[in-house]
Amino acid sequence: QAQLVQSGAEVKRPGASVKVSCKASGYIFPGYYISWVRQAPGQGLEWMGWINANTGATKFEQKFQDRVTMTRDTSNNTVYMELSGLRFDDTAVYYCARDPIPATVTSLRNWFDPWGQGTLVTVSS
Amino acid sequence: DIVMTQSPDSLAVALGERATITCKSSQSVLSSSNNKNYLAWYQHKPGQPPKLLFYWASTRESGVPDRFSGSGSGTDFTLTISSLQAADVAVYFCHQYYSPPPTFGQGTKVEIK
Repeated sequence: QAQLVQSGAEVKRPGASVKVSCKASGYIFPGYYISWVRQAPGQGLEWMGWINANTGATKFEQKFQDRVTMTRDTSNNTVYMELSGLRFDDTAVYYCARDPIPATVTSLRNWFDPWGQGTLVTVSS
Repeated sequence: DIVMTQSPDSLAVALGERATITCKSSQSVLSSSNNKNYLAWYQHKPGQPPKLLFYWASTRESGVPDRFSGSGSGTDFTLTISSLQAADVAVYFCHQYYSPPPTFGQGTKVEIK
């Protein structure tokens, strides 16, 4: 059964960077896209971008374009999301989520399944 | 971007009673090419990953109890729990994947009355 397990909570200062990991199991890791989605306190879910776990190709939502990096380590079945220049309003729970359709045939217009359990990133001075 | 609006924000329903959540999209998420609604529903319990309930608006994910149903088309969608159980206490949210970027409803918190 496909599963995504994320790294633990982080507390960062404004201006710092945070790197969150998402380790996949139960499926062929390179075969799928992984998206990152965040939820700030009291806010709705916000898509940040995706990474092709095989090729490493990425696409980001415009508002994150200049600050986000997504990478993968195929030897460890893990994807990473790094957000730099942290601001107070980056405080949120960050989720990874898989496109359930294989990367070779996906339209990238699909639901997400599974999701990681979420990683709370707190930006505080 | 397509805006997804759920209602209500929260509801309290007695055990065994029906719970109904609506989700409206600011644009149609129905594709004319394949006649599918690009709409998913999830259940989210604290400390757990969101769980997929439905995709294509009404296709139940394997293992989801049949007291859950998804319906609707175009811009108006409904998630119904026909007989609320204690295990159903959660936040439910909708997700459109018709037009990038994917967007989500704000969530509806379901509690026991």
